Amino acid sequence: AQSVTQLDSQVPVFEEAPVELRCNYSSSVSVYLFWYVQYPNQGLQLLLKYLSGSTLVESINGFEAEFNKSQTSFHLRKPSVHISDTAEYFCAVNEFSGGYNKLIFGAGTRLAVHP
Amino acid sequence: GAGVSQSPSNKVTEKGKDVELRCDPISGHTALYWYRQSLGQGLEFLIYFQGNSAPDKSGLPSDRFSAERTGGSVSTLTIQRTQQEDSAVYLCASSPRGGDSNQPQHFGDGTRLSIL
Repeated sequence: AQSVTQLDSQVPVFEEAPVELRCNYSSSVSVYLFWYVQYPNQGLQLLLKYLSGSTLVESINGFEAEFNKSQTSFHLRKPSVHISDTAEYFCAVNEFSGGYNKLIFGAGTRLAVHP
Repeated sequence: GAGVSQSPSNKVTEKGKDVELRCDPISGHTALYWYRQSLGQGLEFLIYFQGNSAPDKSGLPSDRFSAERTGGSVSTLTIQRTQQEDSAVYLCASSPRGGDSNQPQHFGDGTRLSIL
């Protein structure tokens, strides 16, 4: 079974500073990887995904993540954060068994951006 | 809007009572998922529906939990004889096809359940 580890439960950072949220997954076989963001009192929204092809994927709001197969990592980065990026971020990997796709989530990383 | 809709958004009830949570997926999405998000923890998979059938109920924490889906659309998650440890946010998600790994799941805003 797949598992996802998010090494940091909380990441405080000042506005306009760079940030990296770490994610490692367990499987060495082909995987699809996702980052979801959850703003307060809302559900999860897809931020970006890696399915195949280029190992660097980007979102529309400046986040990017790089798939590293040798390190089984999919860290999320942003060169300059805004107050509005304050949210909880979840890394997920798909597990396909029994004919359907299930997402396995990490425990989440709470990003707190301070002025 | 055309997103996943969950109701109620908040539910406070006394220990021992039954609760029913509702999820209305995106129209046309055949796959529906329930997750539980407890304080300080990640998302815990509960159950998956493909159409009206639930091929995977492995995540349901106990026999007090049950779920059904009718008409390939609305799903209800029922918790009987609620306990305080059931307090959590219950999230529903849908996707066009459960067997299509590259289809992301679309989440509702969740139901925040508090057991007194």
